[in-house]
Amino acid sequence: GAVVSQHPSWVICKSGTSVKIECRSLDFQATTMFWYRQFPKQSLMLMATSNEGSKATYEQGVEKDKFLINHASLTLSTLTVTSAHPEDSSFYICSASTIQSEQYFGPGTRLTVT
Amino acid sequence: SQQGEEDPQALSIQEGENATMNCSYKTSINNLQWYRQNSGRGLVHLILIRSNEREKHSGRLRVTLDTSKKSSSLLITASRAADTASYFCATVGYQKVTFGTGTKLQVIP
Repeated sequence: GAVVSQHPSWVICKSGTSVKIECRSLDFQATTMFWYRQFPKQSLMLMATSNEGSKATYEQGVEKDKFLINHASLTLSTLTVTSAHPEDSSFYICSASTIQSEQYFGPGTRLTVT
Repeated sequence: SQQGEEDPQALSIQEGENATMNCSYKTSINNLQWYRQNSGRGLVHLILIRSNEREKHSGRLRVTLDTSKKSSSLLITASRAADTASYFCATVGYQKVTFGTGTKLQVIP
């Protein structure tokens, strides 16, 4: 099946710094990628949808200036958490959509902000 | 985005028993998927059922879909301790996936 990777797997950063998370589709081209956030013991919540070459569409309540999404190629999307704070600590998961609209999920990135 | 509802929220069974989890959703879908997630880990895709399908099997997993009732069920037969995890349904509309609230399954050896 299609493989999606995320880098890094986990990251610990200090409050106020920015963190970039990469999402790659390894063996297929993804016109659309999705970013989710999961707080402990909760389900996944969609943050934003990004299409290659265009601006991301953010879900209500998600600050676009804080969570910068770049989808520069058909195999790579990045999520940058700017000026991270402890409340941004979460599990961030990306997914990539094939042309048949089937989604494949990355393994997730655990972010801890101290 | 509206989340689907899953029940039960948590389930504890003995090894060898069957586990059934249910998922209800609100909008029309293209397909519905079930995922498992071990604590603190990423999602593992289990099975996909399309909107025109009613039942699907994969190993010890059986998934049903009733689009008229907007509900799906996941049955794990002959459960094993390694099946202990959280299970999520995800409804897939046009380019959008909505996750259910999840069922936490504990299988006691």
